[in-house]
Amino acid sequence: SAVISQKPSRDICQRGTSLTIQCQVDSQVTMMFWYRQQPGQSLTLIATANQGSEATYESGFVIDKFPISRPNLTFSTLTVSNMSPEDSSIYLCSVGEARNTEAFFGQGTRLTVV
Amino acid sequence: AQTVTQSQPEMSVQEAETVTLSCTYDTSENNYYLFWYKQPPSRQMILVIRQEAYKQQNATENRFSVNFQKAAKSFSLKISDSQLGDTAMYFCAHMDSNYQLIWGAGTKLIIKP
Repeated sequence: SAVISQKPSRDICQRGTSLTIQCQVDSQVTMMFWYRQQPGQSLTLIATANQGSEATYESGFVIDKFPISRPNLTFSTLTVSNMSPEDSSIYLCSVGEARNTEAFFGQGTRLTVV
Repeated sequence: AQTVTQSQPEMSVQEAETVTLSCTYDTSENNYYLFWYKQPPSRQMILVIRQEAYKQQNATENRFSVNFQKAAKSFSLKISDSQLGDTAMYFCAHMDSNYQLIWGAGTKLIIKP
């Protein structure tokens, strides 16, 4: 199993600013995923971040808006840049190692942009 | 495209009753993995149960069991003797060959005392 510490747990930010969310894992993992989740709705994958390669972004998400770092096998950050109220959401990091094992999740970051 | 469909946006049952949440999926793969996750108000995603497609036997975890119908691409979750702590959003998910999870829209389950 993997224990994930995600920070901050919540934040209220001014529009036009940027917020960096950190995801720390207690073990080395190959794959890390960043999701966005509107309250009461399902998860939408933003990007996949594998160590040693550029993050792979899903349709509708771009690196300039959501830059991701993955400096080692236990850590990743997601930055939400030039925020607008439409970016208000819950952001979740997740890790996986193999197809036959569960994905583990951080506690999520609730972001409110005012 | 691979999809996961949960047709019940919300369900409500009395404590101690049995409830079944439905899930259908679409995939062209023959070997894959299916999951049910629970998300209580704390936002923490918790794995409820996992099914490997090549296993015909339905997975069971204590009060939670699945009815996996591979030909029909159906993967329902049965919760027996429901408890107040089962109140949460429940998501069905399929893992594709890229290790990515394809998520259903979720079912909000309310257990009434």
